[in-house]
Amino acid sequence: SQQGEEDPQALSIQEGENATMNCSYKTSINNLQWYRQNSGRGLVHLILIRSNEREKHSGRLRVTLDTSKKSSSLLITASRAADTASYFCATENDYKLSFGAGTTVTVRA
Amino acid sequence: NAGVMQNPRHLVRRRGQEARLRCSPMKGHSHVYWYRQLPEEGLKFMVYLQKENIIDESGMPKERFSAEFPKEGPSILRIQQVVRGDSAAYFCASSPSRQLLGTGPSGEQYFGPGTRLTVT
Repeated sequence: SQQGEEDPQALSIQEGENATMNCSYKTSINNLQWYRQNSGRGLVHLILIRSNEREKHSGRLRVTLDTSKKSSSLLITASRAADTASYFCATENDYKLSFGAGTTVTVRA
Repeated sequence: NAGVMQNPRHLVRRRGQEARLRCSPMKGHSHVYWYRQLPEEGLKFMVYLQKENIIDESGMPKERFSAEFPKEGPSILRIQQVVRGDSAAYFCASSPSRQLLGTGPSGEQYFGPGTRLTVT
């Protein structure tokens, strides 16, 4: 079974708006990572947050982690058309990454 | 510095044929991971290899699938006697070192562009 599960499955927003997606997981983790996948392409690593961290920023990205609730959120601020992609959370335990099914984000111009 | 390379990018095989997928990790990386992505799903871990060693193949189907990472050359994922259900995108990732319980360098893995296998 999948370790991470993203919510919502799909999200459509206007350019300039913020996009928020959530990830829940089941077991203890070393870290949680977010990846982006453009249609038909490989995965691009966005940000990693360790189990002892609560919040992390990278450019227009903000990630939170709540280990007590086993959940994480990814916020993309001031979205652009180029942010249109699928976003996956992945939990790392030892060396294995366990991915959710992803959130498909569409940014309308 | 070239990223993770995978070839071919697209592979079409008839049922019963063999598929060989290649992955060259990033320079300086000695750890390779293979993942499979079925349509509309996330990636599923298949196997973790270091040079000449299979460390964890718990995600590999027991039959028809094998992987290697020889001392010289790329890592190979081999699927024998392919069936339609093997149609998927196969991604390879590499990392410079094994992550240890959240300590040490970044735990990120660097992914290749994938090989899209279609079995007809």
